[in-house]
Formats: sequence, structure tokens, C-alpha cells
Amino acid sequence: DGGITQSPKYLFRKEGQNVTLSCEQNLNHDAMYWYRQDPGQGLRLIYYSQIVNDFQKGDIAEGYSVSREKKESFPLTVTSAQKNPTAFYLCASSIAPGGLHYEQYFGPGTRLTVT
Amino acid sequence: AQSVTQPDIHITVSEGASLELRCNYSYGATPYLFWYVQSPGQGLQLLLKYFSGDTLVQGIKGFEAEFKRSQSSFNLRKPSVHWSDAAEYFCAVGAGYGGATNKLIFGTGTLLAVQP
Repeated sequence: DGGITQSPKYLFRKEGQNVTLSCEQNLNHDAMYWYRQDPGQGLRLIYYSQIVNDFQKGDIAEGYSVSREKKESFPLTVTSAQKNPTAFYLCASSIAPGGLHYEQYFGPGTRLTVT
Repeated sequence: AQSVTQPDIHITVSEGASLELRCNYSYGATPYLFWYVQSPGQGLQLLLKYFSGDTLVQGIKGFEAEFKRSQSSFNLRKPSVHWSDAAEYFCAVGAGYGGATNKLIFGTGTLLAVQP
């Protein structure tokens, strides 16, 4: 089955540690995205990538980093510089950037708790 | 700037009753509009989308939505709610920027509870 996988589902870290969230898709989509979800705030875009080896900052990129070395993978690192990292993180992909292909498909999410 | 407003944070309906969830958007051009549903602790699932053409769009699970340009609205409806419809619903508008990215602007969501 085609889809997006995120691992792990739950992640716990101590403050001051970097942590990397995995996102893999086998939909052959060019574009991938990372969102952060907090209660009552909807989804906010962290980073997006339109093509391999290219990515752009979203609305709340501070304290996060990404890489896009392979088409199917778009890992997100939450660094110690992120002031409030505890949140639900969602990865998404779409067929292509631009044009009419705005439909995004979402993974199941990773809940990160930092104490 | 593009924005999406979902004025109802929380709605409770009885099973079998009709449902309407409100969504208003602000966007300069013809918008691409979406409704997604999220069950607790899960990802988002696309219910329906509007790109152009017929302003009444049908989606999965018996949902429909109507695009009204004059009111900048894209309200979601269902004639008879089932207990399994209890979830959070997000309206989103597709916004293109200089490089024509597939950026989605999300509303803050409406949490639907269904009473037996």
C-alpha cells in the first residue's frame, strides 16, 4: 500500500537534546512538508521541500532543520534551540509543487514530549 | 495575507442530526479549498476539495461542501451525523507564492462531538 510513514509514534527526550523525526513516503511524490500541531492552533508549516536536495523554511522554522537527500525521505531534526518543542508533528507530501497539485497526503504523526 | 477562519471551536450534535461546519477564507485569487478530518492522535484525511467548476462538491463519508465566492465561505455539511464522525475538522486554502509552492493555510479546527 502506498502512503506516508512516520516513526516513532511517541518520542520522549530530555531538554537540551536534539531529536530526529522520520518521514518516509512511497507515493513517488516530489513535494514533502513538515507541520507542527498544537491544541487550538491548527497546523503550522515548519519546512517544505519541492525537490530532492532543496528545501525552504516555512512559517516557524526556527529551532528546526531538515534534509532531503532522497525523494522518499524528509527527516526533521528538532534542535535544542527550539524553545517549546513538545507538540504533535505531521509530515505530508503532494504530487508536485505548484500548479493544481495542492492536495497533500498526511502521515499518522509523531508526538514529541520534551521534559 | 491569506487566512482561514473556523469560527466554531467546538460543536456538539445528536446522532442522526444534520451538521454544518463553517469556514471562511481570505484569498486574493480563486482559492483551492479543502476539508480534512483528524481522529484523535492520528494524521489528517482529506474529505473533499474544490478547485473549480461546480460549487457543490461531494466528498467521502457522505460529506459535501459548498463554495460561495460572494461570502468567501466553504462550509462543510452532512445530512445525518454518525457517532463515528466525532473528530476534529480542518478547513484549508491552497496558497501559491513566488515559486508556486503547494502551501496550505489551515484554520484552527472545529472539534465535533456526537451525542447518542
